[in-house]
Amino acid sequence: QVQLQESGPGLVKPSETLSLTCTVSGDSISSYYWGWIRQPPGKGLEWIGYMYYSGSANYNPSLKSRATISVDTSKKQFSLKLSSVTAADTALYYCARQGAYGVDVWGQGTTVTVSS
Amino acid sequence: QSVLAQPPSVSGAPGQRVTISCTGSRSNIGAGYDVHWYQQFPGTAPKLLIYGNSNRPSGVPDRFSGSKSGTSASLAITGLQAEDEADYYCQTYDSSLSVHVVFGGGTKLTVL
Repeated sequence: QVQLQESGPGLVKPSETLSLTCTVSGDSISSYYWGWIRQPPGKGLEWIGYMYYSGSANYNPSLKSRATISVDTSKKQFSLKLSSVTAADTALYYCARQGAYGVDVWGQGTTVTVSS
Repeated sequence: QSVLAQPPSVSGAPGQRVTISCTGSRSNIGAGYDVHWYQQFPGTAPKLLIYGNSNRPSGVPDRFSGSKSGTSASLAITGLQAEDEADYYCQTYDSSLSVHVVFGGGTKLTVL
């Protein structure tokens, strides 16, 4: 059974870059799209982007090119970098496996707070 | 404001049937993209509930069903149970700028 685990700093300063990593266990990282979804406190889900294991990526246009996702197949990890963060980027960040049939595997989520 | 409109809340008594709507437009649901539904309990990650408009993953009770028509989709829950109290989200793709994933704003289901 595929499992995903997020890791990274829980506190990021405004204007800096948020960096998170997701480790995949229980299955190959090859095939499928691997991505990130976030949920601000008390709010709904917001898709950030996803990347196919071979490198093609797609991002939420509303993030205005601040997001970058990368995949390291040798480590079975994929990562998110979100630049120029503000308080509006404070959220619970989920890594996820996305296929043609929806997001079928989710990490447990990691909270990131943007504050000085 | 979400591209996909969902009612903020719905409620029903145990045993009743409730529906949650997800209203989109010609650039998303109306463009033919599949709609998926997720269930989220407080403090936990969402779970895929319905995929491909009307299909249930293994383990999802058949009390849950999905449908799609035109620019809208619906999630129906029959025989409502207390354990169904959760947040529900629809999700599809939108091609208004580039093809990207969009979620509905979510609906809080309260079992009375």
